[in-house]
Amino acid sequence: AQTVTQSQPEMSVQEAETVTLSCTYDTSESDYYLFWYKQPPSRQMILVIRQEAYKQQNATENRFSVNFQKAAKSFSLKISDSQLGDAAMYFCAYRTSSGNTPLVFGKGTRLSVIA
Amino acid sequence: DSGVTQTPKHLITATGQRVTLRCSPRSGDLSVYWYQQSLDQGLQFLIQYYNGEERAKGNILERFSAQQFPDLHSELNLSSLELGDSALYFCASSAQWAGGQIGNEQFFGPGTRLTVL
Repeated sequence: AQTVTQSQPEMSVQEAETVTLSCTYDTSESDYYLFWYKQPPSRQMILVIRQEAYKQQNATENRFSVNFQKAAKSFSLKISDSQLGDAAMYFCAYRTSSGNTPLVFGKGTRLSVIA
Repeated sequence: DSGVTQTPKHLITATGQRVTLRCSPRSGDLSVYWYQQSLDQGLQFLIQYYNGEERAKGNILERFSAQQFPDLHSELNLSSLELGDSALYFCASSAQWAGGQIGNEQFFGPGTRLTVL
């Protein structure tokens, strides 16, 4: 079974600085999707960024980018120019590429942004 | 707004009771997923329906059941409730598989917070 591990329960960053959240996963599949979701205090699950395993290029969405290392099964999220609104729980998630399959989530990293 | 709706937003009930949570997927989405998020935990997959049929089962208790109706809305039924069932229950939907195209993103509803006293 696939597993997703987020080894940092909590992180903090100064406003305007850069922070990297770590995620590793375990799978025997060769093709899959990886996601980072943000959960602010409102509890809404918001998709931040996604990566297809067959793509070597790292995904980027404005201030958010990933470092995808397929061989190492690592998928870290970098947040640049951190803003107060970035404070939230961040969940790394995995799903296989074969059809519509459920997401497997890590336990999350709580990010605090210090003004 | 993801386009996925869930009702009710909050539910408070007593142990031993039965409740029904409702989810309406985004227009046109055929797949519905149910996830449970206990206090300060990640999301655990419960069950998935695709166009009215059960597609996958996760860590769903026998006291829990679900169904998807012809209009594609889904209901999650929780019975013989215990204190440990208190959690945030999310519904998510996704479109029919598009054969390798980017996406298959799951869109999450706002969740139903269940409190069992």
